[in-house]
Amino acid sequence: DVKVTQSSRYLVKRTGEKVFLECVQDMDHENMFWYRQDPGLGLRLIYFSYDVKMKEKGDIPEGYSVSREKKERFSLILESASTNQTSMYLCASSLTPVRGDGYTFGSGTRLTVV
Amino acid sequence: SQQGEEDPQALSIQEGENATMNCSYKTSINNLQWYRQNSGRGLVHLILIRSNEREKHSGRLRVTLDTSKKSSSLLITASRAADTASYFCATDGKGGSYIPTFGRGTSLIVHP
Repeated sequence: DVKVTQSSRYLVKRTGEKVFLECVQDMDHENMFWYRQDPGLGLRLIYFSYDVKMKEKGDIPEGYSVSREKKERFSLILESASTNQTSMYLCASSLTPVRGDGYTFGSGTRLTVV
Repeated sequence: SQQGEEDPQALSIQEGENATMNCSYKTSINNLQWYRQNSGRGLVHLILIRSNEREKHSGRLRVTLDTSKKSSSLLITASRAADTASYFCATDGKGGSYIPTFGRGTSLIVHP
């Protein structure tokens, strides 16, 4: 069964800490995405990557960076965590063009910044 | 740059009834997808419909697409309590972009 695995389900960090959220997929997908999900706002795209070492800003990249050193791994980095980054973070991957099974999501990481 | 918007925002029905959710979008698309999200979990892909298709079925799910109205609907027939979840539509981006954009979702509650 194909999978996208996010390293943590729940994470609590302090303001100012550097935070790494890891995402690994085992489907040899070219594209990987990071979204955050907040009540009433739906899913908002932070960053995406269409190839190793390639990255593109999404709609809300401020305060975040990403790293894709290997095809299967896409990391989201909060350089200096702030309380307004408390959210659910979702990683997804897909082929190009998208096939009938759509985008595959991880289970999410609920991050709380205190 | 949200593309799809679901309607209604919330839906509450009894087990056995049908549930219909709608999605409207603004610009031309290559495909549209529907996802389900159980509380606190990731999204699960339900069905993909391409722009040259008008209707697709998968089990108790029926999806329609009207490109002239830029809208889609998801029908869940004979709903069950386990169908309680949020449902999202996702469109591929404008101009053939592969980046999925999601609406805010419809929250469905099915009462046993």
